[in-house]
Amino acid sequence: KAGVTQTPRYLIKTRGQQVTLSCSPISGHRSVSWYQQTPGQGLQFLFEYFSETQRNKGNFPGRFSGRQFSNSRSEMNVSTLELGDSALYLCASSPAGTEEKLFFGSGTQLSVL
Amino acid sequence: GENVEQHPSTLSVQEGDSAVIKCTYSDSASNYFPWYKQELGKGPQLIIDIRSNVGEKKDQRIAVTLNKTAKHFSLHITETQPEDSAVYFCAASIGRGSARQLTFGSGTQLTVLP
Repeated sequence: KAGVTQTPRYLIKTRGQQVTLSCSPISGHRSVSWYQQTPGQGLQFLFEYFSETQRNKGNFPGRFSGRQFSNSRSEMNVSTLELGDSALYLCASSPAGTEEKLFFGSGTQLSVL
Repeated sequence: GENVEQHPSTLSVQEGDSAVIKCTYSDSASNYFPWYKQELGKGPQLIIDIRSNVGEKKDQRIAVTLNKTAKHFSLHITETQPEDSAVYFCAASIGRGSARQLTFGSGTQLTVLP
């Protein structure tokens, strides 16, 4: 069974631009979560989606948003990029009934210049 | 909200020795404690987890212990091998199943010296 797939793997943007990251969960998984990983702040929860609905949201500004499609694929968007948004963005999917068990993708490394 | 502290930040052991990583959490309502291993260039991988109704869990060379009274839990790796070298994260969360969000510790860089 294929793992969680995130695209693109690397991304370079400039301040003020917006970016969209994509995540394809493991087949059959309906829950998708997003985390931001930085050397200074570690792993921080962004949001979780289940059946196209956001169920939980972390403490990030409104510039960070996401959505989930009917096939469970998810996207996250960051608008008006800031230098501090440079990070590894990780997507994780979870099987039904054990949503706490996260299966992570390899992430998208975003650099904001 | 929940706060998870992890120690040490770096740990070097000789191959074959044991390694122990410790975490403390702040919210007594937390009831799920997973451990993740992250290798370079990859996302974190779940290696073992424990729920608050269990004091200890073992899976081959890896074990996790939980002390709810003291609000701390530990990862024990025995007979370490070079492939155990990675960053290890502990985490804690409240709730069950849906709407669960994990709070992660800051990570421990484990190096197993041959």
